[in-house]
This record gives sequence, structure tokens and C-alpha cells, in this order.
Amino acid sequence: EPEVTQTPSHQVTQMGQEVILRCVPISNHLYFYWYRQILGQKVEFLVSFYNNEISEKSEIFDDQFSVERPDGSNFTLKIRSTKLEDSAMYFCASSEGLAGDTDTQYFGPGTRLTVL
Amino acid sequence: AQSVSQHNHHVILSEAASLELGCNYSYGGTVNLFWYVQYPGQHLQLLLKYFSGDPLVKGIKGFEAEFIKSKFSFNLRKPSVQWSDTAEYFCAVNARGGYNKLIFGAGTRLAVHP
Repeated sequence: EPEVTQTPSHQVTQMGQEVILRCVPISNHLYFYWYRQILGQKVEFLVSFYNNEISEKSEIFDDQFSVERPDGSNFTLKIRSTKLEDSAMYFCASSEGLAGDTDTQYFGPGTRLTVL
Repeated sequence: AQSVSQHNHHVILSEAASLELGCNYSYGGTVNLFWYVQYPGQHLQLLLKYFSGDPLVKGIKGFEAEFIKSKFSFNLRKPSVQWSDTAEYFCAVNARGGYNKLIFGAGTRLAVHP
């Protein structure tokens, strides 16, 4: 069964450094998403992406964040200058983009980002 | 604002006990409803979903959920849990009518003892 994959599984970085988190969505899916979960808190929506542009973003997704689909398979989340509070598990998800209201998001295993 | 509440943060059961996890949502329109499960060390997996039609939906591994519109609830049930059901369970909603962001509840950690 096709799955969303993410690399790396764990990333440790120093405050102020740039990080790029990578995701390979399910191959025939058209919508891509990033969520994050700070330890002990809810899973929170960051951004959705369709047709090579952002379709929706949350208040969390400020100028420090960017997303890109650099080729036909990868979907990346970049944090330009990491802060301590960016430490979290970051989940990528994708969905087919079914017509109507029956679209379902499928999640990757997550990347645990630790900012020191 | 949209929100999802899961009332039980931690649940401990013995094998063969029945399970019901509560989920209530707050949203001013029509929603799609989901339960996801995260087994230890694994990613979020879809357990079941409700879009429309029969309010009682059946998912994988013997789980079911009932949508009660008047109560804004979507409780998850299983008549007899197994040790392998030990996991964290997340209720989520999104707005009908598009490929919209999911709003998650805080999750319920279920521990099943043999």
C-alpha cells in the first residue's frame, strides 16, 4: 500500500540554523500538507499546497517558513532561522484531491525536530 | 472558532473490555469527521471517517464511530479491546466543501493490559 514517507526521522539543529524537512507524498495525490505537534500539545495545521502554490496557511506559518515542490516527487518544508519553540514533530500529509467532499489525508511518520 | 475536544486524555483497560472514546467538535457548518490512530513508534493511520449517510461508520480492526449531529459528537467504540490496540487516538474534523485543513483533538492515550 502506498505511503507518505519523510526524511530525516530526527533532525537536531542549533538555534538560528536553517532546516529542510523532506516528504514524498503518495504518487497520485495532488494536495500536500504540513502539520506539527509540539510535545504534549495538539497536532496543528501549518500549510496546504496545491498546483504549486499555497492554498491555505495558519498563523504559525510565518515568513520563517516556506514550502516547495522542487520536483515531481518531493515536498519540502524549510524553516529559515530556527527557534527553540520550533522543536516539534512535523508531519507531512497528502490527499488525492477527490471531487466533492470525500477527500482523505494520509500522514507520514513524522520528523522530530530538536532545536538546541 | 473550530475546535475538537477529546474528553479522556488517558484510558487504561484490560483486554476484552469495551471502549468508548469521546469526541465533540465545535464548528458552524457541515464537517467531515475522522479518527486517526498512532501506534507506538508509528505514523498517524486512518481508522475511520464520516462524510455523509449512515451515521454509524465502521473502520478497521473492529472500530466503529457514531456521528450524533445534535450533540456535535463522533465517539469511537470497540466492543472488546486487545493489547495491540494500545496507541494514541486522535479525533479530527475538517470543513465540508474542499480540501481543507484538519483540526485535531488533543488525543487519547489508550493502554490495554493483558
